[in-house]
Amino acid sequence: QKEVEQDPGPLSVPEGAIVSLNCTYSNSAFQYFMWYRQYSRKGPELLMYTYSSGNKEDGRFTAQVDKSSKYISLFIRDSQPSDSATYLCAMSEGNTPLVFGKGTRLSVIA
Amino acid sequence: EADIYQTPRYLVIGTGKKITLECSQTMGHDKMYWYQQDPGMELHLIHYSYGVNSTEKGDLSSESTVSRIRTEHFPLTLESARPSHTSQYLCASSDVWVEQFFGPGTRLTVL
Repeated sequence: QKEVEQDPGPLSVPEGAIVSLNCTYSNSAFQYFMWYRQYSRKGPELLMYTYSSGNKEDGRFTAQVDKSSKYISLFIRDSQPSDSATYLCAMSEGNTPLVFGKGTRLSVIA
Repeated sequence: EADIYQTPRYLVIGTGKKITLECSQTMGHDKMYWYQQDPGMELHLIHYSYGVNSTEKGDLSSESTVSRIRTEHFPLTLESARPSHTSQYLCASSDVWVEQFFGPGTRLTVL
């Protein structure tokens, strides 16, 4: 079993939809949970990260962590064509290497 | 915007050649990393550095080597390229593990 599981999609939604992206993990020692966005032919960029459980909101993006279920989510409200990208979850115990999911490819259709 | 640069962006080379992928950052970050990314697969850490003269191997076995002589520079070298080395190589830097800034990547094809 991989440490981090992420459905690679692809996921296609109409503009304005609410998007839910998810990852599950097996390592209960993970404390930091990150979401990266990667546009085609570019490097990943950090969208947001959360420490331990709870929610974090940044504009149209909300990250949720449920440590009891070992499940994290990224919600995108009012999705835009410019949100079309691959979204990668990543996790870490702290001062340790990040463990990445495979990424979910999202297309937002105008 | 992150100031981290990778050259070349694309490289097609024959088997057996020695290649060096360049990575530079202007943010003064102590930590630097090299990842390998294949289509539809996870990013795998192949090398990292905590600072000058520090290098460590990541979780993915790699035939490449790295050096860190200057804070801003972290080149990756393959002594003898093989088709199995065909991949995208991403460089990143950070102050702390969790907030890494990535370069645009080098897409390597070995014929």
